[in-house]
Amino acid sequence: EIVLTQSPGTLSLSPGERATLSCRASQSVNSYFLAWFQQKPGQAPRLLIYGASSRATGIPDRFTGSGSGTDFTLTISRLEPEDFAVYYCQQYGNSPFTFGGGTKVEIQ
Amino acid sequence: QVQLVESGGGVVQPGRSLRLSCAASGFTFSSHSMQWFRQAPGKGLEWVAFISHAGSNRFYADSVKGRFTVSRDNSRDTMFLQMDSLRPEDTALYYCGKSAGTTPRQIPPDYWGQGTLLIVSS
Repeated sequence: EIVLTQSPGTLSLSPGERATLSCRASQSVNSYFLAWFQQKPGQAPRLLIYGASSRATGIPDRFTGSGSGTDFTLTISRLEPEDFAVYYCQQYGNSPFTFGGGTKVEIQ
Repeated sequence: QVQLVESGGGVVQPGRSLRLSCAASGFTFSSHSMQWFRQAPGKGLEWVAFISHAGSNRFYADSVKGRFTVSRDNSRDTMFLQMDSLRPEDTALYYCGKSAGTTPRQIPPDYWGQGTLLIVSS
């Protein structure tokens, strides 16, 4: 099983700042099959990025996914008030598909 | 518009069985792979199961393998999760999700239901 480790656990930032979230895999993720999701309290998750770097439909271009192999990054260029949430990475290149533990982006 | 509606959750005793359903509408169900996920109260997301568009490929989390079975009925636009030998640690909100597209790279779900709550307790 591929274990995904997200860091930091919590990121305290202000609106307008840049957020950099890390997702590290215990072994290489097959063919960039890495996704990022956003989840707000009481809501279902929302797909942001698939294939490590492709934005899902309707996702603003301030969200950028990058990386390969074992190291992946989600960058939010300028935080908007609606971006404060929990973010999860997931690998789906090898079964069992696995999630990271999440990074909470909170308002400083 | 795309809609996914989960049902079948409830309170069940350890060791018993339950079947969840995910009714889909607003897209060509038979063209998309589908997945089940769960989230225990206050915890992170956990992937549970995957089923390909025609049902020929199915994958499971280690925590449910041998106890849960995912299936689908493309004539009824519905996916199921048969859960046997339930344990207290299966207590969670269960979500279904539709793949973003039809290629392997597009497996992650772009639409999710609102979830159905399962509580396993004596």
